[in-house]
Amino acid sequence: AQSVTQLGSHVSVSEGALVLLRCNYSSSVPPYLFWYVQYPNQGLQLLLKYTSAATLVKGINGFEAEFKKSETSFHLTKPSAHMSDAAEYFCAVNSGNTGKLIFGQGTTLQVKP
Amino acid sequence: DTAVSQTPKYLVTQMGNDKSIKCEQNLGHDTMYWYKQDSKKFLKIMFSYNNKELIINETVPNRFSPKSPDKAHLNLHINSLELGDSAVYFCASSQDEVLGYTFGSGTRLTVV
Repeated sequence: AQSVTQLGSHVSVSEGALVLLRCNYSSSVPPYLFWYVQYPNQGLQLLLKYTSAATLVKGINGFEAEFKKSETSFHLTKPSAHMSDAAEYFCAVNSGNTGKLIFGQGTTLQVKP
Repeated sequence: DTAVSQTPKYLVTQMGNDKSIKCEQNLGHDTMYWYKQDSKKFLKIMFSYNNKELIINETVPNRFSPKSPDKAHLNLHINSLELGDSAVYFCASSQDEVLGYTFGSGTRLTVV
């Protein structure tokens, strides 16, 4: 069965610093992987997705993620954090032919001035 | 021009009541979902419909009953509400598993 583990429920960075949010997955078939962002009191917005094309995926708002099969990882990065990046971030894996999206526990990103 | 819209946005009700949450998508997607987000922000799928047909039914109490009158709508009816039902419920839709989901803005249900 597919699963996702996000390492670190809370990450705090200074404005302008590198953002690194970690995600490891487990999947018996080649996975589709996603990162979503949730701002307070809002729904989830798709940041980026990996669908077996390029292993380095660029998304919105300057975020990118790299798929590493050998490490079963799909970490999210951004070179320079903005205050507006403060939100909850979810990594997710698609569960094969059911289309069921399985989410990690989420990581709260805090950006300090 | 909202892609996935849910109503109401907030719902406060007493234990034992019956309530419904409505969801509509104007994206032309074939598949719609209901997810529950608990107080720890964990997201778990509840149901999925493809073109009005139920395809995913997770371990959810029978008090929860989804209804899809057409592929653009997926409503969630909850009977005999309990305190533990308090959560944020998200509706979502997708056309293809590769493309990911489009989520609604959520319905915050509070049972008192």
